[in-house]
Amino acid sequence: DAGVIQSPRHEVTEMGQEVTLRCKPISGHDYLFWYRQTMMRGLELLIYFNNNVPIDDSGMPEDRFSAKMPNASFSTLKIQPSEPRDSAVYFCASSRPTGVVTGELFFGEGSRLTVL
Amino acid sequence: AQSVTQPDIHITVSEGASLELRCNYSYGATPYLFWYVQSPGQGLQLLLKYFSGDTLVQGIKGFEAEFKRSQSSFNLRKPSVHWSDAAEYFCAVGEGGSQGNLIFGKGTKLSVKP
Repeated sequence: DAGVIQSPRHEVTEMGQEVTLRCKPISGHDYLFWYRQTMMRGLELLIYFNNNVPIDDSGMPEDRFSAKMPNASFSTLKIQPSEPRDSAVYFCASSRPTGVVTGELFFGEGSRLTVL
Repeated sequence: AQSVTQPDIHITVSEGASLELRCNYSYGATPYLFWYVQSPGQGLQLLLKYFSGDTLVQGIKGFEAEFKRSQSSFNLRKPSVHWSDAAEYFCAVGEGGSQGNLIFGKGTKLSVKP
């Protein structure tokens, strides 16, 4: 099976531009997570979906960030307008549904965003 | 609130030496605990997990971890480190019954000397 696929792998943009990050979860996984990784704050959960429905978006830093999951095989994380402090590696992860927490999140390789 | 502390930012060990990476957590109930590894430029991969039962859990790549409730710790160990183990290691805590929010520590970077 293909793993979690993220695009782009690298994005360099200028402040004020719109950025869209994309994620294709593993087929059959019902949970999808967006994490952000920075040196200062480590890995932070931004938002997660279950069956395409956002469950917890309390980690989304501000209104400039939005995430959608229009179907089971695709999700986007959008930043508009982008700012230099948004520079980070953004990870998408997916997991299977089970009755209890399995803890096994399958991560993509990340999208490294640099905002100049 | 849940939290995870990894007190060591960077550790260097010699190849063949033993390894212990520390993890302390703060959680009101019995936590679900995990160790993930991240190789450079890659996403995270699950090494092992603890939910209940035997407090010594075995994982992939020869790693093990021991849950100590009295110390709120879940330290990762390996008896003999290989050069390929150089990576960043993350401890995480999860909320039981919820397939969701894992709280990650800030990670420990492991370097291996030849």
